Amino acid sequence: DSGVTQTPKHLITATGQRVTLRCSPRSGDLSVYWYQQSLDQGLQFLIHYYNGEERAKGNILERFSAQQFPDLHSELNLSSLELGDSALYFCASSSGTGDEKLFFGSGTQLSVL
Amino acid sequence: AQKVTQAQTEISVVEKEDVTLDCVYETRDTTYYLFWYKQPPSGELVFLIRRNSFDEQNEISGRYSWNFQKSTSSFNFTITASQVVDSAVYFCALSGGYQKVTFGTGTKLQVIP
Repeated sequence: DSGVTQTPKHLITATGQRVTLRCSPRSGDLSVYWYQQSLDQGLQFLIHYYNGEERAKGNILERFSAQQFPDLHSELNLSSLELGDSALYFCASSSGTGDEKLFFGSGTQLSVL
Repeated sequence: AQKVTQAQTEISVVEKEDVTLDCVYETRDTTYYLFWYKQPPSGELVFLIRRNSFDEQNEISGRYSWNFQKSTSSFNFTITASQVVDSAVYFCALSGGYQKVTFGTGTKLQVIP
């Protein structure tokens, strides 16, 4: 058990809808990362937050947004969903800002029908 | 820009064979970190090793060993006497400190009993 909690584990929704994925980092970790894993794109970095502030942005679509709250949990919001957004979304946490190992959650499997 | 290349998409070996997974990286940072992660069929990514750019010593941990060569920008991973439990997707990753952690596309290893 990595100590990172992601909810929900599975999410099935329709095109055009909006969903929120939630992540609770390991106790004491200040950094939260979001990744999207799909068969054709591999593990794509979306965004990194450190202690509530956005640190780095990757290939995150404008329809997607994220935030890290004062209690350090993070939410990834996906809106106007398309079929191509179907993927496994991972959250990871670390104590610092990128040079430490990442602890991954078990992921949220999103299926857009 | 950072880039990680894992040219081997899938590898199959018979149990007890040795196998090497290749990783080549690109970065403009002088200080950076390299990682290997394992993603077993259960889905959760598990940290295996971290190496910083100033430490070119090879590392051995049980049946696992890593060869870091800065001159060729490679960080290869060898499993000795492979076992069925080693079957997984293995990801090489690169981090430049305050930047995103970039993952390679992964190598799927299948160990046949």
